[in-house]
Amino acid sequence: GAGVSQTPSNKVTEKGKYVELRCDPISGHTALYWYRQSLGQGPEFLIYFQGTGAADDSGLPNDRFFAVRPEGSVSTLKIQRTERGDSAVYLCASRSVAGGPAGEQFFGPGTRLTVL
Amino acid sequence: GNSVTQMEGPVTLSEEAFLTINCTYTATGYPSLFWYVQYPGEGLQLLLKATKADDKGSNKGFEATYRKETTSFHLEKGSVQVSDSAVYFCALLKNQGGKLIFGQGTELSVKP
Repeated sequence: GAGVSQTPSNKVTEKGKYVELRCDPISGHTALYWYRQSLGQGPEFLIYFQGTGAADDSGLPNDRFFAVRPEGSVSTLKIQRTERGDSAVYLCASRSVAGGPAGEQFFGPGTRLTVL
Repeated sequence: GNSVTQMEGPVTLSEEAFLTINCTYTATGYPSLFWYVQYPGEGLQLLLKATKADDKGSNKGFEATYRKETTSFHLEKGSVQVSDSAVYFCALLKNQGGKLIFGQGTELSVKP
């Protein structure tokens, strides 16, 4: 079946602009995660949704970052007033709750964001 | 706080050599431990996991044993292949919330 998909695959923007990154999880997966991966580093957690609600947003770096999942499926990560330091690969993952909290998180290919 | 430390790469081996990639963790309680792999041009995928002390995870010839006494989860493979060239990430999961905490990754390059 289809895996996690993310769009766009690449996004180049200018400092100060607003961007939206989209994640389509595996159908039926109620848990959804956003991570950010800088060059040469491991992914860092941003936010976790269980259904429509953000169960844990402790990884969002500041109030310029916001994420929504209004219908419990597709999620959008929104970044306002982008800064050069926001440049990274943004990863989305989903998990079936049937597997429990230690169940496999399935990752998408990521969106590479470059802020000029 | 919770953290994961991996041996630095890149690691370069000849085909059929023995592989060890060290991973240690700091966490309260009893986390689950994972190895994820990222092949060139592909997304992260789960390689193996262990959810409690002394468990051994295994897949594709790779193994790792959850050692609580040494807070380690070292990845091993007896005979690596060129196709194992990838970046390997050790990660821990706290049961509450399900967020993964990753190490910095170790790049493995296997030469024929």
